[in-house]
Amino acid sequence: GAGVSQSPSNKVTEKGKDVELRCDPISGHTALYWYRQSLGQGLEFLIYFQGNSAPDKSGLPSDRFSAERTGGSVSTLTIQRTQQEDSAVYLCASSSSWAANYGYTFGSGTRLTVV
Amino acid sequence: TQLLEQSPQFLSIQEGENLTVYCNSSSVFSSLQWYRQEPGEGPVLLVTVVTGGEVKKLKRLTFQFGDARKDSSLHITAAQPGDTGLYLCAGEGPSNTGKLIFGQGTTLQVKP
Repeated sequence: GAGVSQSPSNKVTEKGKDVELRCDPISGHTALYWYRQSLGQGLEFLIYFQGNSAPDKSGLPSDRFSAERTGGSVSTLTIQRTQQEDSAVYLCASSSSWAANYGYTFGSGTRLTVV
Repeated sequence: TQLLEQSPQFLSIQEGENLTVYCNSSSVFSSLQWYRQEPGEGPVLLVTVVTGGEVKKLKRLTFQFGDARKDSSLHITAAQPGDTGLYLCAGEGPSNTGKLIFGQGTTLQVKP
């Protein structure tokens, strides 16, 4: 597609429920990143994909968080047994190269609210 | 752990004023990027600097990468209300995965 697409744009869920967040990167972009942003703050790295493999999962906060990428394209971030501290904007970005100086293209994010 | 500290965190100025935002670290970065983010949107890349001492200009915005590649600055001349937003610096981490480490951001409000 023309840009990075994320869905849903907003998600309100009850504490303890599971949620799935989807990212559709720019066609042909091999690198895909998930970040989390709390209100008005900087971005916290979660996980990085190169193709379908995830060489760096170091930012996932706990084992309730997991992510996969299929066909070198769409990625899904799953949060199990959501907690209130999981409330944030989850941003996905893709890049044509693993080299950061190529720059990221971000989606508009999914705003997750856990009540 | 590599950290990037941005200052100031908040800046409210009148249209026409100049401003500078700073991004500092004790670590060396191979490249550094600046992004601008508007409410409800993802960050948008403004510039990438790679070489120590490098200066890049984008209309009224001037970006500089420190000689030691540990710090950077963003200078805006004659700010306009359209410059309002969250400015984020981001440095490439050591793992050569393209992973970026972000500063906490500078919220800029330019009043007409």
